[in-house]
Amino acid sequence: AQKITQTQPGMFVQEKEAVTLDCTYDTSDPSYGLFWYKQPSSGEMIFLIYQGSYDQQNATEGRYSLNFQKARKSANLVISASQLGDSAMYFCAMREGFGTSYGKLTFGQGTILTVHP
Amino acid sequence: DVKVTQSSRYLVKRTGEKVFLECVQDMDHENMFWYRQDPGLGLRLIYFSYDVKMKEKGDIPEGYSVSREKKERFSLILESASTNQTSMYLCASRRGGTYGYTFGSGTRLTVV
Repeated sequence: AQKITQTQPGMFVQEKEAVTLDCTYDTSDPSYGLFWYKQPSSGEMIFLIYQGSYDQQNATEGRYSLNFQKARKSANLVISASQLGDSAMYFCAMREGFGTSYGKLTFGQGTILTVHP
Repeated sequence: DVKVTQSSRYLVKRTGEKVFLECVQDMDHENMFWYRQDPGLGLRLIYFSYDVKMKEKGDIPEGYSVSREKKERFSLILESASTNQTSMYLCASRRGGTYGYTFGSGTRLTVV
């Protein structure tokens, strides 16, 4: 079963508007971490934001915020005031807490975001 | 500036060749990972290593092996390259007990 699901293959947004990229996850582990990465056309993976399963508040990093709804198992990325440079592939990923899987990241399929001027 | 360096950005190999993809990190990280990235599938874990000489299979290890003789270097080996191994390969490292992962720039491998 897919552990991380990103249902939006592509998204479009107008410059300066906000956009939400969806991510749902599946785990029975009470301890886990959720990540968002940006991958521009150059290929490097850029870390954006992290949310731990026990964190009480939603994570924020500048224009990025993570809408963490634990009961729904969703961890959507919100980008406020989109910029042309935000056009890229975005990946949601999860690290589970214990056992031999500890430390490895499981990724979703990715969402291509295009920002229009 | 901390780095994960992958030896080749682009690589073209012939079917049946033995292929080595090298990854070196300069951060003294314990954990290292090899992923392949394919359109519509995201990144999938091939192998990972918790420490020197230790390795664990990921989700898609078939057709691959790895070597980690030194802490800073993690090699991915395609014993007999096949066309279905044409992909982007990404290496990552992480210090144990932290959540920070650092990725290399990737190697785009084409097997013809």
